[in-house]
Amino acid sequence: LAKTTQPISMDSYEGQEVNITCSHNNIATNDYITWYQQFPSQGPRFIIQGYKTKVTNEVASLFIPADRKSSTLSLPRVSLSDTAVYYCLVEGSQGNLIFGKGTKLSVKP
Amino acid sequence: GAGVSQTPSNKVTEKGKYVELRCDPISGHTALYWYRQSLGQGPEFLIYFQGTGAADDSGLPNDRFFAVRPEGSVSTLKIQRTERGDSAVYLCASSFPGKNTEAFFGQGTRLTVV
Repeated sequence: LAKTTQPISMDSYEGQEVNITCSHNNIATNDYITWYQQFPSQGPRFIIQGYKTKVTNEVASLFIPADRKSSTLSLPRVSLSDTAVYYCLVEGSQGNLIFGKGTKLSVKP
Repeated sequence: GAGVSQTPSNKVTEKGKYVELRCDPISGHTALYWYRQSLGQGPEFLIYFQGTGAADDSGLPNDRFFAVRPEGSVSTLKIQRTERGDSAVYLCASSFPGKNTEAFFGQGTRLTVV
C-alpha cells in the first residue's frame, strides 16, 4: 500500500493560486491518485483523480510527472470558502481508501 | 436517497455500553467503507465491504468493533463495551465497485463516550 506524504498546513490569500504537492514514492503501476477535500463537521468530498500527466475539472487541476512519484493539486484563484483540509490518496490493492493527515489550507482575506 | 445517510448524527453513551451506528449507502453502490476520525486527524480506515462481505477489516482496532452488511446495502457498525477512547466521528462512504471510483461520504455520527 503506497504511503503518501504532504505538508501539514499551508496559508494563502484570496485570489492566489495554491499548489499542494503530495509524495507517493511507492505507487504501484495500476494505482490512480485521488484528492479529497474536507470541511469542518463534514465528510470528505472527492475533488479530482488522475493517473498521469494533467487532469483538469471545474474545481482544480492535478499534475502528475512521468515517474508518478508525486502529484500536485492546483487550486486556481482560491477564495475563503476553499479553507479546508485536502487529502491525497493512493488506493489500496483491495480497493480500500487510506487517508493520511492531509494538508490544512487556510485562505485569508 | 440522494446521498449517504448516517444515523444517528450524534450519540452520547456511557462507558461500557453497547452502541450501533447505521449507514445507508447510495443505491447501487456495492462498496461501503467505515472510518473514524478524531479531532485534527485524517479519517482512520476501519473496514471495507464489497457487497455483503468484508473485503478488508484490517482497520478494526480490536474485537469490540464489528460491522455487518447482511443484504449488501445498509451497514451497521457495532461497538461493544465502549471506552472513552472510542469517542470520535464515525464516517461511512460508498462507491460503485472497482478501483479508482469516487467515494461519497456521509455526514458522520459523532460518538461521545462519557
